[in-house]
Amino acid sequence: NAGVTQTPKFQVLKTGQSMTLQCAQDMNHEYMSWYRQDPGMGLRLIHYSVGAGITDQGEVPNGYNVSRSTTEDFPLRLLSAAPSQTSVYFCASSYGTGGNQPQHFGDGTRLSIL
Amino acid sequence: SQQGEEDPQALSIQEGENATMNCSYKTSINNLQWYRQNSGRGLVHLILIRSNEREKHSGRLRVTLDTSKKSSSLLITASRAADTASYFCATDAFGLIFGAGTRLAVHP
Repeated sequence: NAGVTQTPKFQVLKTGQSMTLQCAQDMNHEYMSWYRQDPGMGLRLIHYSVGAGITDQGEVPNGYNVSRSTTEDFPLRLLSAAPSQTSVYFCASSYGTGGNQPQHFGDGTRLSIL
Repeated sequence: SQQGEEDPQALSIQEGENATMNCSYKTSINNLQWYRQNSGRGLVHLILIRSNEREKHSGRLRVTLDTSKKSSSLLITASRAADTASYFCATDAFGLIFGAGTRLAVHP
């Protein structure tokens, strides 16, 4: 039982490049979400999904796209990377709708935009 | 915007001492959760307390919730060096809204 798996663990991009951060969970959780964590700050919600085919925006969605074609996978796409998107990205999953259930987090993707 | 704010921002104690961290939030909640984050790792869920609960225990952890003051506290008793981590409170919205965390250092 792997839990929540994020790949890659580290990535360096140039401004303007695009990339996809992968997130997969094997717990059959309906709810999945993406957060970013900047130094000295808590996590901020980017996008979330309450089930396959359903996604919605969080607090800081600009510059990011998501899709949820399967229950297991919830990729996060950076359309045109900007230095302001340098951050650590965490994927999380849970049963239910997220706020009322313990979240299971991956170990993060550390992304640097040059 | 961050719903929860932890206090203090940093706490340094000796092994065996108790550590208390506080969280204040702004709007009404259904649940409040506490998480731990070790350096370079993802967050690990510690306790979820519902708005109709006042206190909850899990091992050496005790969480209280005062909805009238919009505040919660996390007490770690008999701390160990392995408790060194950042601790976050999170309140329920369309996802979870996290505070900036308390960095706890426990010295042997």
